[in-house]
Amino acid sequence: SQQGEEDPQALSIQEGENATMNCSYKTSINNLQWYRQNSGRGLVHLILIRSNEREKHSGRLRVTLDTSKKSSSLLITASRAADTASYFCADQETSGSRLTFGEGTQLTVNP
Amino acid sequence: DAGVIQSPRHEVTEMGQEVTLRCKPISGHNSLFWYRQTMMRGLELLIYFNNNVPIDDSGMPEDRFSAKMPNASFSTLKIQPSEPRDSAVYFCASSTGYYSPLHFGNGTRLTVT
Repeated sequence: SQQGEEDPQALSIQEGENATMNCSYKTSINNLQWYRQNSGRGLVHLILIRSNEREKHSGRLRVTLDTSKKSSSLLITASRAADTASYFCADQETSGSRLTFGEGTQLTVNP
Repeated sequence: DAGVIQSPRHEVTEMGQEVTLRCKPISGHNSLFWYRQTMMRGLELLIYFNNNVPIDDSGMPEDRFSAKMPNASFSTLKIQPSEPRDSAVYFCASSTGYYSPLHFGNGTRLTVT
């Protein structure tokens, strides 16, 4: 599996606005996952969406998956300064346990 | 739940020296992963274990790198000899199995001068 690609690479918004990040992948997947990484810390799992799901919600997070386009999006609603972090998508192949991360989107939420 | 514990947090060493990174996964997790993160290459999977057995080590850069998991609660990643291009943040992560979310440690920042 090749690495997924996030779009945009960097995003700067005001507190209260929504943030949308996109991800593309290139293989047949079992699931796609989104992670957040604060500076100097490890990645934290946010949400997992399986290949037979189209949309999933968790609090202020909404993830969509379009397997025909091999793409996913992460929407953070009503953003807060504390949401400032890097966000990564990771696709997991159907053939095994390998989880391949994209390059990430750096989100800055200005107070 | 203490989470995944990695040590040391920072390591600075000279080229040619041996480096050993350590990881304690979450109790009960049977899959363990070693990743490397750099600005140039992003997050790269180096190796992963399932039930203490190495399943895929195709990401290990070269023979200078080796990883072991002698039991379910401990793993090491060794670099010998180290080179400046090995400088990166090395993450250990564990999970309850295939197709489960990963839980990451806070990483070891390695600097090889």
